[in-house]
Amino acid sequence: DAGITQSPRYKITETGRQVTLMCHQTWSHSYMFWYRQDLGHGLRLIYYSAAADITDKGEVPDGYVVSRSKTENFPLTLESATRSQTSVYFCASRGVVDSYNEQFFGPGTRLTVL
Amino acid sequence: QQPVQSPQAVILREGEDAVINCSSSKALYSVHWYRQKHGEAPVFLMILLKGGEQKGHDKISASFNEKKQQSSLYLTASQLSYSGTYFCGTLNDYKLSFGAGTTVTVRA
Repeated sequence: DAGITQSPRYKITETGRQVTLMCHQTWSHSYMFWYRQDLGHGLRLIYYSAAADITDKGEVPDGYVVSRSKTENFPLTLESATRSQTSVYFCASRGVVDSYNEQFFGPGTRLTVL
Repeated sequence: QQPVQSPQAVILREGEDAVINCSSSKALYSVHWYRQKHGEAPVFLMILLKGGEQKGHDKISASFNEKKQQSSLYLTASQLSYSGTYFCGTLNDYKLSFGAGTTVTVRA
């Protein structure tokens, strides 16, 4: 399917476990982003990537790791999940980074850490 | 740094108007607006650029005030489909930082 997809859509895990959230886009967009969404905070940037093998921290990177070995994939790993990481996670991509281009969001992954 | 949105929430009757404001402490070159329905992903509405150019929605309008470092989104003659949470985003390098959102409820 064309577009941007995320998996799993729902995940329940326990404190201390490692969890990986997947993001895949079919547009060959250079730029990809991970956001978390919590009530009262809107969308906060966790990590972003300008191209394969180029990643950088956003506003709230602690406890997360990313990689980007291929342009189309941008997985987000919680190395040791904590309850404060319970959230909805959105992946996004953008093709050309200038002011005039919209960003496309995946459907989100709802993660619960018990 | 995240832009600041106001109000946090607004309730409208169908046909009424509303304004959502977005302000930034940094110089603005563009403002992006997105709408999110409950349980769904944010969807692009429009982009406003310094200089007045805009791209996006044909029924929702917006303004961009460079001096005040502020943008306003105008919901005119609101429809039930306008309900959702509206986010403004500002570009820093190539990263979009979003405000906390404004929840709009339109009632029949």
